[in-house]
Amino acid sequence: GQQLNQSPQSMFIQEGEDVSMNCTSSSIFNTWLWYKQEPGEGPVLLIALYKAGELTSNGRLTAQFGITRKDSFLNISASIPSDVGIYFCAGYNYGQNFVFGPGTRLSVLP
Amino acid sequence: EAGVAQSPRYKIIEKRQSVAFWCNPISGHATLYWYQQILGQGPKLLIQFQNNGVVDDSQLPKDRFSAERLKGVDSTLKIQPAKLEDSAVYLCASSLAGTGASSKVNTEAFFGQGTRLTVV
Repeated sequence: GQQLNQSPQSMFIQEGEDVSMNCTSSSIFNTWLWYKQEPGEGPVLLIALYKAGELTSNGRLTAQFGITRKDSFLNISASIPSDVGIYFCAGYNYGQNFVFGPGTRLSVLP
Repeated sequence: EAGVAQSPRYKIIEKRQSVAFWCNPISGHATLYWYQQILGQGPKLLIQFQNNGVVDDSQLPKDRFSAERLKGVDSTLKIQPAKLEDSAVYLCASSLAGTGASSKVNTEAFFGQGTRLTVV
């Protein structure tokens, strides 16, 4: 079946630094979604992307839908302690289901 | 707007016992998903409903797992009998529509807080 890979698996950064993470797939998706999950909570939708090449921002978060439709990137600028959590990408094709990556665990050091 | 509601939040059972989880999706959302999330992994789809019909249950271990959405609104997921490897967080999600949707809004899935199951 379809599988997504996320990198890095985990990262430790200093507060105020920018963060970049990506998600890759061997197959094409029509929609990319980025979620954040905090301990004991369900994933919360951050950004949704619908078109190859699309660049979308949500506050300090920016995500891009890769031109090949096989990847997506998420950037967080000027990280703060509350950015801590696991970031999941999910790919979606019409008529199919959401496929989730294994997540990138972000830790922010004060 | 109220989010996806799930209960219970936590459940501890012994292996071979049965357990049931409940989910109430966002009002008006036709599509409901049950996901299993094992510690350290991303959510894995168990079953997808479109209204009260099953769209995809290919990854549901049907010898022990069952799910229903009789009236096309809330849903229950049951495990009987439970095994140690069933310990996980069970997440429910809903979207306006899933299969065949071409609208941007329809393809966004919203999750509940999940039920953490521990099988001992």
